[in-house]
Amino acid sequence: AQKVTQVQTEISVVEKEDVTLDCVYETRDTTYYLFWYKQPPSGELVFLIRRNSFDEQNEISGRYSWNFQKSTSSFNFTITASQVVDSAVYFCALSEASGNKLVFGAGTILRVKS
Amino acid sequence: DAGITQSPRHKVTETGTPVTLRCHQTENHRYMYWYRQDPGHGLRLIHYSYGVKDTDKGEVSDGYSVSRSKTEDFLLTLESATSSQTSVYFCAISQGAPPRTGYTFGSGTRLTVV
Repeated sequence: AQKVTQVQTEISVVEKEDVTLDCVYETRDTTYYLFWYKQPPSGELVFLIRRNSFDEQNEISGRYSWNFQKSTSSFNFTITASQVVDSAVYFCALSEASGNKLVFGAGTILRVKS
Repeated sequence: DAGITQSPRHKVTETGTPVTLRCHQTENHRYMYWYRQDPGHGLRLIHYSYGVKDTDKGEVSDGYSVSRSKTEDFLLTLESATSSQTSVYFCAISQGAPPRTGYTFGSGTRLTVV
């Protein structure tokens, strides 16, 4: 069965600090997809990134970067030079190609203080 | 141009009453999902649909039923609401399996059972 564990329940940082949110997953499938979503205080779910299991290249998008390591079953998310607007709940999620269900981690609350 | 809308956005209901939440999509996507979000649990899958009249249970399906009589609508019904069903409910759509284009979420319905 697929499972996602988000290591940190809550993180507090001061603006401009770098912060990493850790995600560990479990699956028996060889083909799967990993996601990160952001949920700001307004409540909507904002898609950030999707990565398939055959692509271990790290990705950078502005201040956001993702480190995917199959050897440790981890898909970690780093925000560089954090800003107050980054304050949100961040979810890591996994979808197995064979099942087409998206399974979420419990979420990490990120608080960025000015 | 939301593509996916949920109604109502907020609802307060009494214990023991039936409640139906609606998810409507304009994307003609085959897959539709209902999730509930609770603190400490992330989002958990209630039911999903892989076509008209084709539905299946998720991990927290007890007390819920669904129906999909046409592609664009996916209804979630609480036959007899209980306080434990107080939650935020999200609908999601996906183009296919595997989710090459990811999942799109609605804005959520906040349900309070008193």
